[in-house]
Amino acid sequence: KAGVTQTPRYLIKTRGQQVTLSCSPISGHRSVSWYQQTPGQGLQFLFEYFSETQRNKGNFPGRFSGRQFSNSRSEMNVSTLELGDSALYLCASYVRGSPDTQYFGPGTRLTVL
Amino acid sequence: GNSVTQMEGPVTLSEEAFLTINCTYTATGYPSLFWYVQYPGEGLQLLLKATKADDKGSNKGFEATYRKETTSFHLEKGSVQVSDSAVYFCALSPGSGAGSYQLTFGKGTKLSVIP
Repeated sequence: KAGVTQTPRYLIKTRGQQVTLSCSPISGHRSVSWYQQTPGQGLQFLFEYFSETQRNKGNFPGRFSGRQFSNSRSEMNVSTLELGDSALYLCASYVRGSPDTQYFGPGTRLTVL
Repeated sequence: GNSVTQMEGPVTLSEEAFLTINCTYTATGYPSLFWYVQYPGEGLQLLLKATKADDKGSNKGFEATYRKETTSFHLEKGSVQVSDSAVYFCALSPGSGAGSYQLTFGKGTKLSVIP
C-alpha cells in the first residue's frame, strides 16, 4: 500500500508570493491533517479535513487555508508569504474513528526568501 | 489546553547504552499517547502508542508505559544502536470530542548514538 505523498518536496518562494502544497492520503483514508514544523515553534497543528469539510483549525492567521477534494486529496495554500512561514509542512492521513493511528508524509520544505 | 513536555536534547549515548527520554503531559479526560520518530530529511513515523492508563506500547525494542497518576509516558530502550539516531517526539491526542484527531507534540529530543 502506497504511503502518504506530498508534492513538491522542496519549494523556494519570495516574500509576498503565494504557494500551494499538495497531499495525497493513503488509499481508503478520508481524513487529512496538516502540521507546520519549525525549529522555534516545533510541530503545530494547522487544520483537519474530512469528507471535503474542514473539521478543525489551529491557531494560524487567515493567510493559511486549505481544502479537500472528493478523492480525499488535500491542498493547503499560504498567501502573502512571510519569512516566518519557512518550515516543513507535514500532512497526515488516517481513518476517522481511529485517531490513534495517523500516517505522515515526508513533508514539503518551504523556504521563503 | 493540552500540552506535552519532553526532556531537552540533544542526547548523546554510546552504542548499547540504556536510553530514557522523559515525557509528561497535561490534558483533560483520557488522551491517547504516542512516540514518533523523525529521521533526517524524512517525515514522522509512529514508533509506539498507548490509548489508556497502564497500557505499555512497544516496538523495535522501545517501550513506554502510560502512567496516568504521574501524567507521564517515558520512552525507554535497553540497548541503543547507531541506527536509532533520530529526533523523538512525544505526542497526545484528546481521544474524544472536538479536536480528537489533533496531535499535540513535545519539542522533540535529538538522539545521537556513537559507535
